[in-house]
Amino acid sequence: NAGVTQTPKFRILKIGQSMTLQCTQDMNHNYMYWYRQDPGMGLKLIYYSVGAGITDKGEVPNGYNVSRSTTEDFPLRLELAAPSQTSVYFCASSGQVNQPQHFGDGTRLSIL
Amino acid sequence: AQKITQTQPGMFVQEKEAVTLDCTYDTSDPSYGLFWYKQPSSGEMIFLIYQGSYDQQNATEGRYSLNFQKARKSANLVISASQLGDSAMYFCAMRVNTNAGKSTFGDGTTLTVKP
Repeated sequence: NAGVTQTPKFRILKIGQSMTLQCTQDMNHNYMYWYRQDPGMGLKLIYYSVGAGITDKGEVPNGYNVSRSTTEDFPLRLELAAPSQTSVYFCASSGQVNQPQHFGDGTRLSIL
Repeated sequence: AQKITQTQPGMFVQEKEAVTLDCTYDTSDPSYGLFWYKQPSSGEMIFLIYQGSYDQQNATEGRYSLNFQKARKSANLVISASQLGDSAMYFCAMRVNTNAGKSTFGDGTTLTVKP
């Protein structure tokens, strides 16, 4: 029972590089999310999706892009990485509004 | 706009005592869900308890209960008989029916249980 799987778990990028954080879920959830969590802080919503082909911006979308071509997958793309994007990134999925979100283990990303 | 406020950055509690973690929320949507999550130092997010806006009774899950005061827009988490393993960061979160895709989290409260 995998739940939400994120890869990679750790990554170091140089300023200006690009990368994609992968997220997949096997619970057939419609809703998927990407959050970032800075040290000692709460979760900030980057992007979310309500189903395949539908995505929308959260609180802090600048510098990121997403796509949702299937129900299972919701990759997050960082273009032109900047030190301000150093953070822990969480992917989550959920069913309807009265159901909790299931989180992946997170990706710890450092931009140097 | 949706907003969650957790006013206690850090809390201490003696082992075996009860503790209340505060959460206030703001939304104009009459239908919404409130959630509490626990994040231990290992980093994973663990779902604890859920309260729906139309639920008549306060939610309970084992040692966790939610003190839901709708008129005051508060949804405080009560942990009874604290254990050392309860030391963690706790987040309050909200989803609203009219935009169920969007989820809002508070800044969290760090709870430390003292032996």
